[in-house]
Formats: sequence, C-alpha cells, structure tokens
Amino acid sequence: DVQLVESGGGLVKPGESLKLSCAASGFFFTSYTMNWVRQAPGKGLEWVASITTGSNIFYAASVRGRFTVSRDNAESSLFLQMNSLRAEDTAVYYCARDKGGLRYNWFDPWGQGTLVTVSS
Amino acid sequence: QSVLTQPPSVSGAPGQRVTISCTGNSSNIGAGYDVHWYQQLPKTAPKVLIYGNINRPSGVPDRFSGSKSGTSASLAITGLQVEDEADYYCQSYDDSLSAWVFGGGTKLTVL
Repeated sequence: DVQLVESGGGLVKPGESLKLSCAASGFFFTSYTMNWVRQAPGKGLEWVASITTGSNIFYAASVRGRFTVSRDNAESSLFLQMNSLRAEDTAVYYCARDKGGLRYNWFDPWGQGTLVTVSS
Repeated sequence: QSVLTQPPSVSGAPGQRVTISCTGNSSNIGAGYDVHWYQQLPKTAPKVLIYGNINRPSGVPDRFSGSKSGTSASLAITGLQVEDEADYYCQSYDDSLSAWVFGGGTKLTVL
C-alpha cells in the first residue's frame, strides 16, 4: 500500500525554525513529484511547495524565501525546512504525492498530516 | 479569499442530489487546466474524489460525478448518504500566480 507519514511538527515561537519530514513507502518514490499542502485550523487547503523528480522546485508566494523543500530519493523521504516562522504558518502540514502531468496534476494520496503551531 | 470560489455550505436530505460549484477565471479553469475534487471527512486527510474534471478513482462510488465548462466546474452527488457529510474542495492550477490553487471548501450537511 502507498503510505506517506509526516513527522517533525510541534510548537515553536515566531522567528524560529522547524524541519518536517515525510517518509514514503509502497511506491517508487524517485518517479514522482512530491508536494506539501497545509491547512490552518478551521480553514481550507493551501498548496505550499512542490519538488519534481528532477528537483525543480516551486513555492507558494506566502512561503517563498522562508521555506525550503528537498528530497532524499535514496531514503524515499521528503522534507520541508521552515525558517522565520510566523503565527500565520500555524497549520497541519500534509505531504502528498503528485499524479498527472505538470500543472494538470492532482494530489494523491495524502499523509495524515503533522501539526505546526507558531506561538509565543 | 480563495482563487477558486465555492459555496461555504450545501445541504440535502438522504437520497437527494446536491451540486457544489467551483468558479475560477481565465487564469485557471478558463485557461484549460483540469479541476480536481477532494473529500475531507472530519479529522482526516483529504482524499481525491474526482480527477481530471470527470474521472473517478477506483473505489469512489458512481454517485459522485464531476463536470467542467468555461471558467467553472461542478461536483454532483446523487443518492445522498449520511456518510457523505464532509468538506469538499476543488483544485486547479493558476497561470498568473504560477501556483496550484484550491477552492475555499464546501461543507456538506446531510439533514
């Protein structure tokens, strides 16, 4: 079965950093673009970042310059380094595999999510 | 304010039919990009319900169907069941933002 398991969430203060991880299994990780999508408490979904098989990287404007997405194909892992965190970054962060062609793609499946809380 | 506009809520009685709209513009849905739909049951991760405007993944009942026309798309659910109570989101790509975008979500209540 395809499985995505996020970890690394927690409570941090504004301005601090946190690194999220997503462990993938059940599929050939190297062949898929991977994504981060977040959901603030009680709010909707927001795409955060994507990294292609060739390590082309895309960021939402709200995180560009502060977040860095990376992948380790040997370990079938996806990462999100989050710096200069703000209260508005508080959310459940989901790791999601890409399906379909670039820009026509959808996210399937999703991990269970990891909660990041930014508060003083 | 989401780039794709959905009604905040819809409701229907068991067995009825409901539709959820997703309205975009010429930079996203109107530019020809596909629309995908997700179902998020309470306290769970989203799950794809419809991909590529009209396609259902295996395991999704045929009570769920999608359509797209111009700058809008719709999700229809027939034969409503209590277990359909969830939040539903549409998703596409936006050229002007160079970003993947979601609708604000629609909460479906089965009365």
